Amino acid sequence: QVQLVESGGGLVQPGRSLRLSCTGSGFMFRKYGINWVRQAPGKGLQWLAVVSFDGETQYYADSVKGRFTISRDNSKNTVYLQMSRLRPEDTAVYYCAKEDVILNTNFYYFDHWGQGTLVTVSS
Amino acid sequence: DIRLTQSPSFMSASVGDRVTITCRASQGINNNLAWYQQKPGKAPKLLIYVATTLQSGVSSRFSGSGSGTEFTLSISPLQAEDVATYYCQQLEKYPRTFGPGTKVEI
Repeated sequence: QVQLVESGGGLVQPGRSLRLSCTGSGFMFRKYGINWVRQAPGKGLQWLAVVSFDGETQYYADSVKGRFTISRDNSKNTVYLQMSRLRPEDTAVYYCAKEDVILNTNFYYFDHWGQGTLVTVSS
Repeated sequence: DIRLTQSPSFMSASVGDRVTITCRASQGINNNLAWYQQKPGKAPKLLIYVATTLQSGVSSRFSGSGSGTEFTLSISPLQAEDVATYYCQQLEKYPRTFGPGTKVEI
């Protein structure tokens, strides 16, 4: 079955960097875009970034543009989120989500999600 | 950016009730809207996409409707296991924004 597993979370000091990983299995990883979505404690969902199936295209939320970089290594079935200049307000559970699209349309949806990894930014 | 609002933000209903949650977009989104259910401590789960299409494996008690800028998620009849927070999301443009959520309690 489709599975996404995030890793790399933990406690990090403000201003430092951290890299999250999202490893997929049970599907043709190289054919799908992967998104990162976060959820601060007690708050709603915030979309952060997406990388296209081939890694050629990325989009970012304004709140992380220039600080976070999304990339992928299809040989390892893994998507990365490199986070730099971390702030306390980046404290959240970070989810990766596989997107699917209806063929020949612009209709997307996030059909599978990982279990999330907690990032805590604190001194 | 496309802003999504949801109403109500919280609702309490009884088992067997019909529950309706509304999501409004700040501009037209061509029905490119999804609904997710999130239970405490769990990842979101896709319920509905393209405003009205039920995701495979999801109970037929869930249904989506709407067009243009106003969309609804209905749950009927409400069951105890439906206690969760429900989010809408637009996928028409980047950034892929979510609504603030609606918490449903029994």
